[in-house]
Amino acid sequence: GENVEQHPSTLSVQEGDSAVIKCTYSDSASNYFPWYKQELGKRPQLIIDIRSNVGEKKDQRIAVTLNKTAKHFSLHITETQPEDSAVYFCAASKSGTASKLTFGTGTRLQVTL
Amino acid sequence: KAGVTQTPRYLIKTRGQQVTLSCSPISGHRSVSWYQQTPGQGLQFLFEYFSETQRNKGNFPGRFSGRQFSNSRSEMNVSTLELGDSALYLCASSLVYSSLSEQYFGPGTRLTVT
Repeated sequence: GENVEQHPSTLSVQEGDSAVIKCTYSDSASNYFPWYKQELGKRPQLIIDIRSNVGEKKDQRIAVTLNKTAKHFSLHITETQPEDSAVYFCAASKSGTASKLTFGTGTRLQVTL
Repeated sequence: KAGVTQTPRYLIKTRGQQVTLSCSPISGHRSVSWYQQTPGQGLQFLFEYFSETQRNKGNFPGRFSGRQFSNSRSEMNVSTLELGDSALYLCASSLVYSSLSEQYFGPGTRLTVT
C-alpha cells in the first residue's frame, strides 16, 4: 500500500523566517496531496492541497510544490508567525481508493519570538 | 455552512464494552471517512462510506465497523473494546466519492478505554 514519509519531525524557526516540511510517497498512482494543520486539542484543518497535474500552488504565505518524478512534495511557509505553531501533516490519496488518505507522521513546528 | 460534527466528544469505557460514535457531515457532503489518531500510530484510515455503502476499509480488525444513513450521517462501532483502542476518532466529510475531493475533519471523539 501507499507509504508517506515526512521530515523533519520537529522544526523550530524564529518569527519571520521560512519553514519547509518535506514528504515523500511511494505509490506513483497517488494524485492528490493535502496538507493539514492541527493545533493542540483541535481538529486537523486543511490548509492547502495540490493535485498531480500541478507543480506548485500558493496561498498567501503558504505554498506547496510537487515533484511527481521524485515522488515528493513540500510545504513552504514564509514570514512565519507564532500562530503558525502547530503539528502539520502531509497526506496522499489515489484514484481507486477515493477518500482514503495516507498520512505522514507529522511535523511539530514551533515559531519562536 | 456548519462544519462536521461528532458526538460524543469524550467517552470513557471499560475493556470488553462496545461503543458507537456518530458523525454528521457538512450539509451536501455525501462521503464520510473515519480515522483513528494515536500518538504512536498517527492518523490511520479506518473506512469510508458513500451512498450508504462501505467503499474502502483500512487495516483494522473486524471489531471496528460502521454504517452510513440515507442523510449521509455515519456511525462507527467498536465492539469488545481493548486498551489499545484508546484514541481520538476523527471523521471527515467530502462532497463526492473521489480521491481529488477535499476532506474536512470533525472535532473528534476522544475515547478512553480503562
